[in-house]
Amino acid sequence: DVKVTQSSRYLVKRTGEKVFLECVQDMDHENMFWYRQDPGLGLRLIYFSYDVKMKEKGDIPEGYSVSREKKERFSLILESASTNQTSMYLCASNRIRGSYSNQPQHFGDGTRLSIL
Amino acid sequence: GQQVMQIPQYQHVQEGEDFTTYCNSSTTLSNIQWYKQRPGGHPVFLIQLVKSGEVKKQKRLTFQFGEAKKNSSLHITATQTTDVGTYFCFLSSNTGKLIFGQGTTLQVKP
Repeated sequence: DVKVTQSSRYLVKRTGEKVFLECVQDMDHENMFWYRQDPGLGLRLIYFSYDVKMKEKGDIPEGYSVSREKKERFSLILESASTNQTSMYLCASNRIRGSYSNQPQHFGDGTRLSIL
Repeated sequence: GQQVMQIPQYQHVQEGEDFTTYCNSSTTLSNIQWYKQRPGGHPVFLIQLVKSGEVKKQKRLTFQFGEAKKNSSLHITATQTTDVGTYFCFLSSNTGKLIFGQGTTLQVKP
């Protein structure tokens, strides 16, 4: 079974802090994704990566950056956290380079981030 | 830009009643996926539809892809309490845009 592991289940940070959310997958998947989930808005794509050191902006990249130095690890960075970034963050991965849209995505358990 | 509307946002049913959620896109889709998220859990892949007019079944769940590949539905026959959760469609447009629907949250009264 695919395992996508997010480093923290709950996280509380302060406004202005730099925040790192880590995600690791164990199935050698090429594609990795970061979403945020808010009530009534579904899941919105922040960034995705189809290879090491490669990244593409999703629908809401503002205020975020990502890093993919190794194939199994995809990090989401909040450069200067703000209260409107309080949300549930979900990481996902799937296989097949270049065809990220037609393979099932496997999700981690999510990180509930609160910015005070 | 591409828009997606998933309806209804919430549905409360009595156990044994049927349930349907609809997903409508403003643009033609290359494929559509459906996911289920249990309360406190993460989304789990259910199925993918690719062909125009395609119908797939998984036990009490029936998935349809519209003839114009702009809409899809998920129908559950005779709901059970284990069906509780939020159902999301995930769209992939012909231009490569990826987007999740807003989700339909299903509550089932025993």
